[in-house]
Amino acid sequence: DAGVTQSPTHLIKTRGQQVTLRCSPKSGHDTVSWYQQALGQGPQFIFQYYEEEERQRGNFPDRFSGHQFPNYSSELNVNALLLGDSALYLCASSAQGTGPHFGNGTRLTVT
Amino acid sequence: AQKVTQAQTEISVVEKEDVTLDCVYETRDTTYYLFWYKQPPSGELVFLIRRNSFDEQNEISGRYSWNFQKSTSSFNFTITASQVVDSAVYFCALSESQGGSEKLVFGKGTKLTVNP
Repeated sequence: DAGVTQSPTHLIKTRGQQVTLRCSPKSGHDTVSWYQQALGQGPQFIFQYYEEEERQRGNFPDRFSGHQFPNYSSELNVNALLLGDSALYLCASSAQGTGPHFGNGTRLTVT
Repeated sequence: AQKVTQAQTEISVVEKEDVTLDCVYETRDTTYYLFWYKQPPSGELVFLIRRNSFDEQNEISGRYSWNFQKSTSSFNFTITASQVVDSAVYFCALSESQGGSEKLVFGKGTKLTVNP
């Protein structure tokens, strides 16, 4: 049973560019959440998708957007990248009654 | 507002020592979930435990045990007979959702180093 998978593993982008990160949830999970983890910090909630709709959103600007597909997989898009967007981006999947399970993350470096 | 405090930034122990990681939380909800995750250097957050606010029984899983005390808003994690492979950053997190599938608020983490 595959867990949460994320791609790519690492990514290097230039300031001002746009990036798309992908996530496939654990089998049986229908909810996907995205978190940003800066170096030395705990993960910060970006947003959550359920039934292809954004259900909750954290304190992140509109440059951060997402999508969930009918197969429950999800994308995180970040536009107009800033140096401060450099972080580990974690995807978590869950279902009613089950705690979130996380993927290995995508390490984004903005230069 | 929700808040999770892990006051210990770093802990260093020698193998076979017992170690307790502290977690204190704040929430106005009566229904919530508490979690512990382990993050090894590879970066993945490994799920360790989920506990709902109505279940105050302590839990033991092998060398791991958790002590939930609602009266002090604490959810502490103890590793017995620590091993080098336990070296990682450990995060405590809180979720204000009956299903436990809503957003998590994390503490800043405690870096545990177990020396041989």
